[in-house]
Amino acid sequence: EPEVTQTPSHQVTQMGQEVILRCVPISNHLYFYWYRQILGQKVEFLVSFYNNEISEKSEIFDDQFSVERPDGSNFTLKIRSTKLEDSAMYFCASSEVDLWFMNTEAFFGQGTRLTVV
Amino acid sequence: GQQVMQIPQYQHVQEGEDFTTYCNSSTTLSNIQWYKQRPGGHPVFLIQLVKSGEVKKQKRLTFQFGEAKKNSSLHITATQTTDVGTYFCAGRVTGAQKLVFGQGTRLTINP
Repeated sequence: EPEVTQTPSHQVTQMGQEVILRCVPISNHLYFYWYRQILGQKVEFLVSFYNNEISEKSEIFDDQFSVERPDGSNFTLKIRSTKLEDSAMYFCASSEVDLWFMNTEAFFGQGTRLTVV
Repeated sequence: GQQVMQIPQYQHVQEGEDFTTYCNSSTTLSNIQWYKQRPGGHPVFLIQLVKSGEVKKQKRLTFQFGEAKKNSSLHITATQTTDVGTYFCAGRVTGAQKLVFGQGTRLTINP
């Protein structure tokens, strides 16, 4: 069964450092998303990406965040200068079509646990 | 902004008992999805509801979408230990791509 893969599974970084979280969405999917989940809390939307541009972003997704699809298969989330409060599980997700369509689901990756120290 | 509230936050039941989690949105939704997250795992899609008043069943799971499309529920009949996990509802409003997740209901089961 096709799946969304994320690397690394765990990333520890020092405050102020830049990190890049990587994702390989399911190959025929067109919509890509990043969500995060602070330990024990709900899943929060960060950004959606379609046709090589951001289609929607949340208030969390400020100037320190950026996304890129560098090579047609990878989808990356960059955090420029990490803060302690960026520590969370970051989930990449993809969907074949817009989630508006009936019975369309978002497939989530296993997540990258980011720890900022 | 749009908020999705989910109750209860925790539910502990004996195996074989029923379980229900409720989801309420501050705004009318275009659709609502339900996800299950096992401890240490990632959200896994269960179902999507689109129509007002819709009811869908998956074996022992029954999902409902309210008439006003602002609330939803998930009911599990005769829980089994494999049902353990956190159940999230996630709502979407017209024109938006993001899913707004509820806080989740963490279900634990006594065998």
